[in-house]
Amino acid sequence: EVQLVESGGGLVQPGGSLRLSCAASGFTVSSNYVTWVRQAPGKGLEWVSVIYGDGRINYADSVKGRFTISRDNSKNTVYLLMSSLRTEDTAVYYCASGVYSAIDYWGQGTLVTVSS
Amino acid sequence: DIQMTQSPSSLSASVGDRVTITCRASQTVSSYLNWYQQRLGKAPKLLIYTASNLQSGVPSRFSGSGSGTDFTLTISSLQPEDFATYYCQQSYSTPPTFGQGTTVEIK
Repeated sequence: EVQLVESGGGLVQPGGSLRLSCAASGFTVSSNYVTWVRQAPGKGLEWVSVIYGDGRINYADSVKGRFTISRDNSKNTVYLLMSSLRTEDTAVYYCASGVYSAIDYWGQGTLVTVSS
Repeated sequence: DIQMTQSPSSLSASVGDRVTITCRASQTVSSYLNWYQQRLGKAPKLLIYTASNLQSGVPSRFSGSGSGTDFTLTISSLQPEDFATYYCQQSYSTPPTFGQGTTVEIK
């Protein structure tokens, strides 16, 4: 059974940094893509970043240059390092994955609050 | 980026009603259009992939159709557990983009 468990969310001041983790089980992160999708309070879904099995990486324009996605194959975990955080980055961050282009599997989400 | 527009933004319906939600893309996405259901406080759940394919375990009252730029999600007979927000998403090009969501409420 595929499971994705996020951790690392919390309260951070504007300009600060936070690292989210996504621990995967039931598949290997080096074989499937793993993506991050966020949802601001009361708002819709926004794609953030993806790392593919072959190592290719993409970012949304809104986070490019501030967020870094990476993975540790030995821990079967994907990370999202978020720097220069802004109040508009406040959201629930979901880790997700799939076999093809649709997102089959979602984590439970972790809340990131950027506030002074 | 491809813009996805859903209509309506919300609707009120009764148990047993037939419900239709539409999704329009700003340019062709071929059949790379997916539908998700999100219940309050929960993660999204994949319902339909590549426009018309029912995800395993999803009830057959859900169906999808369309190609190119115009797509439809239909719930043939609304059940109490279907009251939720529904999102379309294109996976044709990067960045993948979502519609703004359609909230289905109890009449």
